[in-house]
Order: sequence, then C-alpha cells, then structure tokens
Amino acid sequence: DAKTTQPPSMDCAEGRAANLPCNHSTISGNEYVYWYRQIHSQGPQYIIHGLKNNETNEMASLIITEDRKSSTLILPHATLRDTAVYYCIVRGLAGNDMRFGAGTRLTVKP
Amino acid sequence: DTGVSQDPRHKITKRGQNVTFRCDPISEHNRLYWYRQTLGQGPEFLTYFQNEAQLEKSRLLSDRFSAERPKGSFSTLEIQRTEQGDSAMYLCASSLGTGGQPQHFGDGTRLSIL
Repeated sequence: DAKTTQPPSMDCAEGRAANLPCNHSTISGNEYVYWYRQIHSQGPQYIIHGLKNNETNEMASLIITEDRKSSTLILPHATLRDTAVYYCIVRGLAGNDMRFGAGTRLTVKP
Repeated sequence: DTGVSQDPRHKITKRGQNVTFRCDPISEHNRLYWYRQTLGQGPEFLTYFQNEAQLEKSRLLSDRFSAERPKGSFSTLEIQRTEQGDSAMYLCASSLGTGGQPQHFGDGTRLSIL
C-alpha cells in the first residue's frame, strides 16, 4: 500500500474552513483515499473516502488531484468539536488493514 | 446505537493474568478487524475475520494473542500471560467486505497492566 505524508499539526479559527493536506505520491490506480479522525479516548471516526472524483458528505469534502498524488480534506465551517487527529490513509481493494500514520493534529481555536 | 460496541471499556489487571475483550460489530458487516493503539501512535492492525474465518493473523504481536469469531458475529481477543508492554487501547472495527467499503471503529478497550 502507498504511504501518506501529512503535516504534524495545524490550527484553524472557529467558523473558518479547515483544509488538511495529504500527499500520497506512490498511490496505485485501484487504491482509495480514506480520511478518519480521532478525538481523545475515542476510536477513529470515518469521515469520507474517494477513488478519483471529489466527494462530499455531511461532514466534509474530499478533493483529489487529477494525478491522484495528493488530496485535501475540507471541513467547511470548523467548530471546537472538530479538534482531533486527522488520518489520511490509502488502501486498495485487496487490502485488509487501514495503515495509520501519525496524522495531523488539528486544533480549532475560538 | 448501531455502531461497533466493545466491552469492557477499561480493564486493569496484574501482569501474568489472562484478559479477554469482546467486540460486537455492526450487524450487517461480515468483516471484523482488531487493532492496537499505544499512546501517541496511530492504530496498528492485528488480525481480521471474514465471517467466521480468520484470514490474516500473521500480525498478531505474539503467540500470547489470539482472536475468535465463532459464529461470524461477535469476536473476542484474548491476551494470555499479560506483560507491561501490552498496556494499550485495543480497537475493533467492522466493514462490509465489498469494494473499498470503509471500516467503522468502536471506542476500544483500554488495557492497563499493573
């Protein structure tokens, strides 16, 4: 499975959009991009995933570049409750595990 | 609540004791996964089941670790002869087995070894 690179930490002002980048330059054609977040003392929470096209759901939007070598998770109006560690993971259809890296610690500030 | 359920949420035991954790997946999910997470790290994959079959167990940390899913529904993870280094959060996840479906995680069992 391809590896991902994320900044270790980011800050965002409450009410503003949070844009979390992820590089996955060795991604293969059949590998999906998944985003999870983890709030202290809870399990990882699934946010969104995509293959090639941009995706949007009630939590976030996922923008994948045309060459699929990077992606951005967008939280359109960040709240204090969005403070968490955000993980970007790539995994193919045949993959069994989610390989979590260190993630990005997002801090939303009032 | 129809999410993944884990029991107990916290377990404190003495070194050398055996412990068992239970995971109840989302009801229609045929795949079930176990992970371990230590402080400051992301979750680390241990094993997974498709229905009752354990299809990957080479990444269980040692032969003291074992998992079962006897009827293809709930699963148990057992650690025998616990050691200090086993202190961690043990997470369970489940998914549908088709086409890139995401895994959904429970809130874990936190194990503390005295």
